[in-house]
Amino acid sequence: AQSVTQPDIHITVSEGASLELRCNYSYGATPYLFWYVQSPGQGLQLLLKYFSGDTLVQGIKGFEAEFKRSQSSFNLRKPSVHWSDAAEYFCAVGARAAGNKLTFGGGTRVLVKP
Amino acid sequence: DTAVSQTPKYLVTQMGNDKSIKCEQNLGHDTMYWYKQDSKKFLKIMFSYNNKELIINETVPNRFSPKSPDKAHLNLHINSLELGDSAVYFCASSQEAGLLTGELFFGEGSRLTVL
Repeated sequence: AQSVTQPDIHITVSEGASLELRCNYSYGATPYLFWYVQSPGQGLQLLLKYFSGDTLVQGIKGFEAEFKRSQSSFNLRKPSVHWSDAAEYFCAVGARAAGNKLTFGGGTRVLVKP
Repeated sequence: DTAVSQTPKYLVTQMGNDKSIKCEQNLGHDTMYWYKQDSKKFLKIMFSYNNKELIINETVPNRFSPKSPDKAHLNLHINSLELGDSAVYFCASSQEAGLLTGELFFGEGSRLTVL
């Protein structure tokens, strides 16, 4: 079965500083990988996704993520955080062989200090 | 226009009651989902429908019964509500049952509180 671990429950960063959110997955074959963001009181919005090809993927709002097969990781990064980036971030893994289900990690809450 | 809309946004009810949450999407998608987010923000899929047909049914108590009258609507009915049903329920849709597009469009959630 597929699974996703986000080791950091919450992270606090200063505005303008860089941000990296960790995601580790478990799946036997090449998975489909996603990052979603959830602002307070809102639904989830897709930031970026990886299916195949270039292991560094660009997303919306200045985010990027890198797929590292050897480490089973798909970490999310942003070079300079804005106060509006304060939110909950979810990594997810999906696979056709797993019935096309998306399995989400437990989320990382990002707080942005002025 | 809201792409995926859920009603009600908030629902407070007593144990043992029956309640429904409705979901509609105007994106023309074929597939709709119900996810449950617990108090620790953990998101878990409950059901998925593709063109009104049930394709994913996780281990969910049979007190939960989804219903899809057409591919733009997916409702969730819950019988005999229990305290543990308190959560935020998210409806979502996607272009196809597969993951090639990779994107789920989520509603804003329906917060259910069972007293």
